[in-house]
Amino acid sequence: ILNVEQSPQSLHVQEGDSTNFTCSFPSSNFYALHWYRWETAKSPEALFVMTLNGDEKKKGRISATLNTKEGYSYLYIKGSQPEDSATYLCAGVGAGSYQLTFGKGTKLSVIP
Amino acid sequence: DAGVTQSPTHLIKTRGQQVTLRCSPISGHKSVSWYQQVLGQGPQFIFQYYEKEERGRGNFPDRFSARQFPNYSSELNVNALLLGDSALYLCASSLITEAFFGQGTRLTVV
Repeated sequence: ILNVEQSPQSLHVQEGDSTNFTCSFPSSNFYALHWYRWETAKSPEALFVMTLNGDEKKKGRISATLNTKEGYSYLYIKGSQPEDSATYLCAGVGAGSYQLTFGKGTKLSVIP
Repeated sequence: DAGVTQSPTHLIKTRGQQVTLRCSPISGHKSVSWYQQVLGQGPQFIFQYYEKEERGRGNFPDRFSARQFPNYSSELNVNALLLGDSALYLCASSLITEAFFGQGTRLTVV
């Protein structure tokens, strides 16, 4: 996977709003998609690893879906809280590869 | 349980110097990867090591080298530093598919 793109680049939402971001990747040669949350001055925190078309994963108020045929994944946050403020990164892994190819991230700011 | 630890956390070097960054993986993890993150970009893959063997190399010049030790810790070396090498260097360890990152080493080249 050579090119992973994320949108939007940044997002400001009010506390309590639900939001979602997009990660797109080439559908050919796909193996896995990773989502990370990265708060300032901390380590990137693994959220999900997804491999199968139609995969849906959930962790508390955060969920993600995967469409490998069309090459995209959505990350949803329900009822955003100020502690959700972070940069959300997605990374693809191609078949036969061991490297994560990251997008530039979506920076989420939740306004109290 | 200790997570991935990196040292040092920050350092400043002069152009032309050499630097060594260190990473200790999570206990039991045999794979270590290195990434470079510059402002406004996602992390870029530099190297992956598994059981002391290089498994993958990203698009970085030969000034960048790495190795993995019998205890699975790893070092990243960068020679002849350039201003453009200023970045956050992240180390990740993994067991199977999920990668766990350290907090990184912030390298500033002046």
